Amino acid sequence: KQEVTQIPAALSVPEGENLVLNCSFTDSAIYNLQWFRQDPGKGLTSLLLIQSSQREQTSGRLNASLDKSSGRSTLYIAASQPGDSATYLCAAWTGHGGSQGNLIFGKGTKLSVKP
Amino acid sequence: DTGVSQDPRHKITKRGQNVTFRCDPISEHNRLYWYRQTLGQGPEFLTYFQNEAQLEKSRLLSDRFSAERPKGSFSTLEIQRTEQGDSAMYLCASSLAGLGRVNQPQHFGDGTRLSIL
Repeated sequence: KQEVTQIPAALSVPEGENLVLNCSFTDSAIYNLQWFRQDPGKGLTSLLLIQSSQREQTSGRLNASLDKSSGRSTLYIAASQPGDSATYLCAAWTGHGGSQGNLIFGKGTKLSVKP
Repeated sequence: DTGVSQDPRHKITKRGQNVTFRCDPISEHNRLYWYRQTLGQGPEFLTYFQNEAQLEKSRLLSDRFSAERPKGSFSTLEIQRTEQGDSAMYLCASSLAGLGRVNQPQHFGDGTRLSIL
């Protein structure tokens, strides 16, 4: 059974700092890995999707990497801003036995960027 | 640009009542997913549709839960005889179908927050 873990559970940094959020998964047979952002009381906003054949994806100040062999993904945020404050969730897309698969989520990292 | 739309945003009801939620996906998306999220947890998969066919259901989807997508467009999630443990945020997502092991990103709505009194 796929389990996704995110460390740390919460992180507080000063504005301008570069930071890394970590995600680990127990079953390396994933189709892809997706990072999301969730603001309080809101739904999820898709940030980056890394296919299993890829090693990383970049969008603006965000860079996500995937190492299937070690069961890890990282989300790197450069030059953090107060507007980056949110909960960041990673989700592994796993399919078995002919299933099209579904997303298995971690519990998230709550990020606070102080001005 | 219309994203995924969910209605209502909030629902408060007494234990034992039935509730129904609606999700309107992004118009060209043929896949639609339902998730449940409780406080401090990540979303948990409930079920998904490709067009009008319900292709997968989680064991979390007890017999009190039923989901439909009759015309392959909007979907409804009904909970019968609600219980305290049903209190959660119910999230809907949609995507295009991928090819083989290549998946398309899921796009989420803002959810329906259900509170059982």
